[in-house]
Amino acid sequence: EAGVTQFPSHSVIEKGQTVTLRCDPISGHDNLYWYRRVMGKEIKFLLHFVKESKQDESGMPNNRFLAERTGGTYSTLKVQPAELEDSGVYFCASSQAPGLPQYFGPGTRLTVL
Amino acid sequence: RKEVEQDPGPFNVPEGATVAFNCTYSNSASQSFFWYRQDCRKEPKLLMSVYSSGNEDGRFTAQLNRASQYISLLIRDSKLSDSATYLCVVNSGGYQKVTFGIGTKLQVIP
Repeated sequence: EAGVTQFPSHSVIEKGQTVTLRCDPISGHDNLYWYRRVMGKEIKFLLHFVKESKQDESGMPNNRFLAERTGGTYSTLKVQPAELEDSGVYFCASSQAPGLPQYFGPGTRLTVL
Repeated sequence: RKEVEQDPGPFNVPEGATVAFNCTYSNSASQSFFWYRQDCRKEPKLLMSVYSSGNEDGRFTAQLNRASQYISLLIRDSKLSDSATYLCVVNSGGYQKVTFGIGTKLQVIP
């Protein structure tokens, strides 16, 4: 069974540019989560999709971040315009149901210069 | 106070040693608990879920103490390959978000 995949693995952009991250969850997992880890800090929750609906987006830092999951399959996370403090590793995870273990993708390392 | 607290370490232990990590959580309504392992520059990988009765998987034993609001991870007969950061993860149940600890770094020394 294929795991969670993320694209790209790395992205280096300049402040003010736009970046779109993609996550493909494990097939059949309705629950999809986005997280971010800033160096030296804990992994922080960003948002949770159940199928195509945003169940909880309380962790989204501000309105420069937009997540979508059209069709309830893959998800995208767009940062526009990117700021220096957006740098970090963005992880996506999926699970069969809330409360069950989540399986993580390899992450996208975003560097904003 | 953080929702999930862990000693970041590092814990440096010789091969073959037994090592234990604790993790405390502040939300008494928390329902699901997990230990994840994260290698340098890699994603977290599920090590084990933690249940009320505790559970064991080979050299690894996880315990939950609801009264004191902590979970523990015991690693017996440490191997060099156990060197990693161990993340405590707490889910408050249902559609509540998952909260991560900072992780405890373990270095097993030959």
